[in-house]
Amino acid sequence: DQQVKQNSPSLSVQEGRISILNCDYTNSMFDYFLWYKKYPAEGPTFLISISSIKDKNEDGRFTVFLNKSAKHLSLHIVPSQPGDSAVYFCAASPMLNSGGSNYKLTFGKGTLLTVNP
Amino acid sequence: KAGVTQTPRYLIKTRGQQVTLSCSPISGHRSVSWYQQTPGQGLQFLFEYFSETQRNKGNFPGRFSGRQFSNSRSEMNVSTLELGDSALYLCASRLTENTEAFFGQGTRLTVV
Repeated sequence: DQQVKQNSPSLSVQEGRISILNCDYTNSMFDYFLWYKKYPAEGPTFLISISSIKDKNEDGRFTVFLNKSAKHLSLHIVPSQPGDSAVYFCAASPMLNSGGSNYKLTFGKGTLLTVNP
Repeated sequence: KAGVTQTPRYLIKTRGQQVTLSCSPISGHRSVSWYQQTPGQGLQFLFEYFSETQRNKGNFPGRFSGRQFSNSRSEMNVSTLELGDSALYLCASRLTENTEAFFGQGTRLTVV
């Protein structure tokens, strides 16, 4: 039962253009969402997060959009750079005070982004 | 501030052996989680510890176990290793339950 889905295993974009990475979730208890970037043989690096009280969060070239009714979030990278080439993971968890003690992060399978010079 | 430290970085073991992996979280972080990454499977959650108590456990056999010490350092143990246990094992620490997790570099385990 995959609660966080990244349906595109890979994405290729030109340098300078926009990269849009998508993520869908099924668990309605999720209301804290994160994006991570991972290079081979390294641990994931935190990029940006968003809680359900917002529909957009921006940090430099990275913007995350959340559509709660559609249970969908996306990461926009503008402009894309060759150094952005990596696997991007979407993750989700319930927020504190949502009940129970299950605050674990659930990850999608990742999308390999390739930015071509 | 030091990041999450995992040791060793690489390990080769034989089927049937056991292995212990270590993780030192960021200072002040009390939550430590472990994940297994294999090609095409993303990050599979193993377990999470908070203040020495296991709070969550993923869908892995009992051969996989862990613990957390009073200084928040954590160890993960895999007994009776199988070829399919070959993976990158990642440890992550969090300050609180609803903050971002910071990952270590991982331990690459190869079972031959």
